[in-house]
Amino acid sequence: AQTVTQSQPEMSVQEAETVTLSCTYDTSENNYYLFWYKQPPSRQMILVIRQEAYKQQNATENRFSVNFQKAAKSFSLKISDSQLGDTAMYFCAFMMYWGSQGNLIFGKGTKLSVKP
Amino acid sequence: ETGVTQSPTHLIKTRGQQVTLRCSSQSGHNTVSWYQQALGQGPQFIFQYYREEENGRGNFPPRFSGLQFPNYSSELNVNALELDDSALYLCASSSGQGLVNTEAFFGQGTRLTVV
Repeated sequence: AQTVTQSQPEMSVQEAETVTLSCTYDTSENNYYLFWYKQPPSRQMILVIRQEAYKQQNATENRFSVNFQKAAKSFSLKISDSQLGDTAMYFCAFMMYWGSQGNLIFGKGTKLSVKP
Repeated sequence: ETGVTQSPTHLIKTRGQQVTLRCSSQSGHNTVSWYQQALGQGPQFIFQYYREEENGRGNFPPRFSGLQFPNYSSELNVNALELDDSALYLCASSSGQGLVNTEAFFGQGTRLTVV
């Protein structure tokens, strides 16, 4: 069974600084997707960034980038130039690539507070 | 806004009652997944529907059931409510069956409180 672990329940960062959120996962599969989702107080899960396991290049979306270490089963999220609007719960998630119903397996989340 | 809408937004039920939650998927999406998010936890997969058929199920008892309609909207039904069913229920829609199901768009959830 696949598992996702986020070891940082809470983190804080000053506005305009950089913060890295950690995620590790466990799977015996070779092909899968990894995601970071943001859940603000509005409760709606918003996709931040996605990484296909077969791609060696780390995904980047504007101020958000990942450090994907497949052998170590590590998938951290770096937020650069943090903004007050980045304050939210952040969830790391795993999904099988083939032969499954495509459900997401989430970690327990990291609560990020961006301070002015 | 993702185009995925859930109703109601909040609901209070008594233990033992039954509840139906609704989800309208984003236009063009034929797959709907339901998740339960207990307080302080990450969402847990309940089940998924693809073209009106159940296409996978998580570790939830049979009193959690669902439907998907021809317009791909969906319902989650929970019978014999228990206090532990109190949670945020999230619906996510996507296109394609699990093989190419790579991005899910979530609704804002229904907050269910069982008293």
